[in-house]
Amino acid sequence: AQSVTQPDIHITVSEGASLELRCNYSYGATPYLFWYVQSPGQGLQLLLKYFSGDTLVQGIKGFEAEFKRSQSSFNLRKPSVHWSDAAEYFCAAFMFSGGYNKLIFGAGTRLAVHP
Amino acid sequence: GAVVSQHPSWVICKSGTSVKIECRSLDFQATTMFWYRQFPKQSLMLMATSNEGSKATYEQGVEKDKFLINHASLTLSTLTVTSAHPEDSSFYICSARVSGSSYNEQFFGPGTRLTVL
Repeated sequence: AQSVTQPDIHITVSEGASLELRCNYSYGATPYLFWYVQSPGQGLQLLLKYFSGDTLVQGIKGFEAEFKRSQSSFNLRKPSVHWSDAAEYFCAAFMFSGGYNKLIFGAGTRLAVHP
Repeated sequence: GAVVSQHPSWVICKSGTSVKIECRSLDFQATTMFWYRQFPKQSLMLMATSNEGSKATYEQGVEKDKFLINHASLTLSTLTVTSAHPEDSSFYICSARVSGSSYNEQFFGPGTRLTVL
């Protein structure tokens, strides 16, 4: 079945440290892939997206993600985390499921940043 | 550009009453809008897909008579939670897809927190 998996429910990093959030998908083809960030009580903000082409995509706020077809992964990275990056991060994939195309979300990874 | 608003942002109601939530695309036309539900510390679950001028398509397990969706114009979709009960308390988020876009990016509203007493 089509799905998006974020293996890490909660991650804590120190401010200034590097970050990698994992995302894997299960689908018969390459879906459109997205990373969103959600601050408490807020909606979702798009960080970056991958449709095709260069497998390393740059996003806002210094984030980047790399698509690896062989691993069905689309991991999010940031070289140096800021305290303001503490939030919930969702990976999502646009896939054909249940008769039509829809955006399917992973369970989310909650990021905490220590000063 | 591509701003989606929701109103209200926060609502408390008594059990048995109905609540209407509005979702508007402010600076673009949206042929398709989506309604999601998010429980605390959980992911977004798609409830229904709403196409302008036609009936909404509900996901399996979502009661269409309880969650009434109307998409009467290219900039407005509404979700009405009828006869709300405490278990309907949740964070409801809408999103909109730009009409005629060559790709399928959705823009999300800020969400509406519903608390049913």
